[in-house]
Amino acid sequence: GESVGLHLPTLSVQEGDNSIINCAYSNSASDYFIWYKQESGKGPQFIIDIRSNMDKRQGQRVTVLLNKTVKHLSLQIAATQPGDSAVYFCAETVTGNQFYFGTGTSLTVIP
Amino acid sequence: DAGVTQSPTHLIKTRGQHVTLRCSPISGHKSVSWYQQVLGQGPQFIFQYYEKEERGRGNFPDRFSARQFPNYSSELNVNALLLGDSALYLCASSYDPMNSYEQYFGPGTRLTVT
Repeated sequence: GESVGLHLPTLSVQEGDNSIINCAYSNSASDYFIWYKQESGKGPQFIIDIRSNMDKRQGQRVTVLLNKTVKHLSLQIAATQPGDSAVYFCAETVTGNQFYFGTGTSLTVIP
Repeated sequence: DAGVTQSPTHLIKTRGQHVTLRCSPISGHKSVSWYQQVLGQGPQFIFQYYEKEERGRGNFPDRFSARQFPNYSSELNVNALLLGDSALYLCASSYDPMNSYEQYFGPGTRLTVT
C-alpha cells in the first residue's frame, strides 16, 4: 500500500530570536554528526558538523552542541532570519560510508 | 564551480518500468552516495561508491543497483518500479570518505510512479 509520511516536528520563532533545534541520535558508536538545512524543492545543504571528540562547535550564527551521554545533538541559530525557514536534519555516521538521518524539524520564522 | 548535478529533475514512470538516474559529483570529488527521500521523512541511504567500488549499501531490495564511472559520475538504476518508489532521489558527493566525511547534496530527481 501507499506509505504515509511522518508528521514533522515544527518550531516557530520570531525574527531576531534565537532558535534551538534538537535531535536524538540512535547509535552510541557514531563519531561524526552533520546538520543539514533543506529548503522546499532543494537538496539538503551542509550547515555545520562535529566529531564525537568535541562537545561544541561554532560557525557563523550557528552552534552545534553534542551530549554523548544522552545521545543528543542540538543546533542553535542566533538572530534567526526569514531565510532560515526550512527543514533541518541531523545525520550521524560511524564510518563515513553510511549516514543515518533523523526525521527533521520544520522551522518557520515569523517576520 | 558547479556543485553536484543530477538528471533528470523530474520523472514520471509506470509500475513495472525501469528507471536510470544520473549524478555528476563536484569536480575533484571521488565518492558518490545515493539517498531516497520520501515526502515528510529524512533521506535514507541507498549506496555509496568510492573510486568505482561499492563501499556501502543500505537496506534496499536488489531492484536497486548503482555504478560509478571512471570520471566519478554515477547512475542509480531501479527495476520493476513500485508505487512506493515514488520519492526524491538525492546524490551526495565527497572528496575522500576515508578521511573526510563531509558530503554535499545535489538538488535531487523527483520520481513519480503511477
